[in-house]
Amino acid sequence: AQSVSQHNHHVILSEAASLELGCNYSYGGTVNLFWYVQYPGQHLQLLLKYFSGDPLVKGIKGFEAEFIKSKFSFNLRKPSVQWSDTAEYFCAVNEVYSSASKIIFGSGTRLSIRP
Amino acid sequence: DTAVSQTPKYLVTQMGNDKSIKCEQNLGHDTMYWYKQDSKKFLKIMFSYNNKELIINETVPNRFSPKSPDKAHLNLHINSLELGDSAVYFCASSPRGPLSGTDTQYFGPGTRLTVL
Repeated sequence: AQSVSQHNHHVILSEAASLELGCNYSYGGTVNLFWYVQYPGQHLQLLLKYFSGDPLVKGIKGFEAEFIKSKFSFNLRKPSVQWSDTAEYFCAVNEVYSSASKIIFGSGTRLSIRP
Repeated sequence: DTAVSQTPKYLVTQMGNDKSIKCEQNLGHDTMYWYKQDSKKFLKIMFSYNNKELIINETVPNRFSPKSPDKAHLNLHINSLELGDSAVYFCASSPRGPLSGTDTQYFGPGTRLTVL
């Protein structure tokens, strides 16, 4: 069965530090990839997505992610985090051309930023 | 304007009761979803409807029954509530649906259900 792994459950950084959150998936076929963010008390919002083309994807708020097909990874990065980036981050994967296609979410990574 | 809305935002009830959560989207999307987010923040899909037709039905107790009166609405009815049903339930919608291969989901604000 398809799965999505986010190995970092809780990441704590100081402001201005660089961020990289890991995401790995298990499906070997064509996939669409997403990162969602959930700020405290709010709903999930799309940060960025990869469907095809350039594997380096730019999202909102200075986030980017790189799709590395050979590693089945879609890690999220930001060069300099801010206190307002404190949130829960979810990676999600959708198999393409699957009759039972659905989006599978990772278990989330909680990001805490120290002011 | 709220794109995907859910009511109520909070729901506290006793075990054994029956309750409903409503969801509406004004984005003109074809597909709607219900997700359950447990206390560990794990988000799992429960149901998906495309143009009022059920297309995804995960392993969910049959006490949970979704109803889609039209493609802008997807309600979730829960019978005989149990303690383990306590969670945040998110509704979402997408323009086409997961089978299209290229689709983005838009989430509602969530309904925090607490079963006592």
